[in-house]
Amino acid sequence: EAAVTQSPRSKVAVTGGKVTLSCHQTNNHDYMYWYRQDTGHGLRLIHYSYVADSTEKGDIPDGYKASRPSQENFSLILELASLSQTAVYFCASSDPGQGVYEQYFGPGTRLTVL
Amino acid sequence: GDSVTQTEGLVTLTEGLPVMLNCTYQSTYSPFLFWYVQHLNEAPKLLLKSFTDNKRPEHQGFHATLHKSSSSFHLQKSSAQLSDSALYYCASNTNKVVFGTGTRLQVLP
Repeated sequence: EAAVTQSPRSKVAVTGGKVTLSCHQTNNHDYMYWYRQDTGHGLRLIHYSYVADSTEKGDIPDGYKASRPSQENFSLILELASLSQTAVYFCASSDPGQGVYEQYFGPGTRLTVL
Repeated sequence: GDSVTQTEGLVTLTEGLPVMLNCTYQSTYSPFLFWYVQHLNEAPKLLLKSFTDNKRPEHQGFHATLHKSSSSFHLQKSSAQLSDSALYYCASNTNKVVFGTGTRLQVLP
């Protein structure tokens, strides 16, 4: 079965600090995504990637960077964490090229910025 | 651009009653449509998708029918169960994935 894992599962960070969230998939999917989830806003797309070494901006990219060093790994980087970035972050994968249009989500990372 | 609209933020009903969660979409092309379900403290997971070899997609008693004429993909179930309480997202995919804002279904005994 398709598998997406995330680390850490939860993190407390200080305002102004650097945070890196990691995602690993064993689905052999080309596409990977980062979403944040806040009550009342649903899932919002931050960054995505359709090939290694390339990333694209989603709907809310400000304050976030992304890195895709390999097909399996996709990281989300908060260079200067802020209180407003407290949220649950989900990574997902899919592969339209293989006819896999649905998204497979990781378990999420709960980030609290103090 | 493409959009997905879920008009209800919260739907509350009694166990055993029918469920219908609304989803409409706007797209220049004919998108693939999906329903995802997210239980408390879990990740979203696929419930249904619109393209299933001409069969009406069904899963766990839920079904949805794609109506291109009205740009809708409503989720239905004939009899709600307590375990159906969750957050439900409708999503579309043409060349970009778009999620609705989600509908929280609360089933009461």
